Amino acid sequence: GAVVSQHPSWVICKSGTSVKIECRSLDFQATTMFWYRQFPKQSLMLMATSNEGSKATYEQGVEKDKFLINHASLTLSTLTVTSAHPEDSSFYICSAPGGSGGAHGRNEQFFGPGTRLTVL
Amino acid sequence: GQNIDQPTEMTATEGAIVQINCTYQTSGFNGLFWYQQHAGEAPTFLSYNVLDGLEEKGRFSSFLSRSKGYSYLLLKELQMKDSASYLCAVMDSNYQLIWGAGTKLIIKP
Repeated sequence: GAVVSQHPSWVICKSGTSVKIECRSLDFQATTMFWYRQFPKQSLMLMATSNEGSKATYEQGVEKDKFLINHASLTLSTLTVTSAHPEDSSFYICSAPGGSGGAHGRNEQFFGPGTRLTVL
Repeated sequence: GQNIDQPTEMTATEGAIVQINCTYQTSGFNGLFWYQQHAGEAPTFLSYNVLDGLEEKGRFSSFLSRSKGYSYLLLKELQMKDSASYLCAVMDSNYQLIWGAGTKLIIKP
């Protein structure tokens, strides 16, 4: 199946700093990528849909000025958490539709391994 | 509104069978997914149903009834490594995934 990577796997930063998380589709192109956040013992919460060549679509309640998304190419999307605070500490996961890489075509989602962010 | 319901937690015994149910109400339907997620890891794909009926894949099977808005994931011959959260997700008419809150499955020896 298709592979999605994320970098870094974990990051610890001081309050007020910015953190960039990269999501890459390694063996397929993804015009769309999804960014999720997951707090402990809770399900995935969709934050935004990243679109190559255009602005991201943010879910209600997600501050687009705080969570900057850039879909620079067909294989790379980045999420930057600006001026991070302890309440932003969470598990951030990206996913991409499989296209031809998945057994179920565009419907299958391939997930990156996630990035654990801890803000002190 | 769109809604996915699944039990919060289930407990089963090693070697036994467990069925995790999922009911949904969504705007449109382009398939139902089951994912497994171990603590601290990203979800991994288990199954996809778009037509009614049972899909079997080794120890795991998934069933769908579109008319009832209902699916279940059946796990047989449970192993300790099956302890995880199981997420039900439905793809709506916009090809957006709507996620359930997940069912935490605890396997006891």
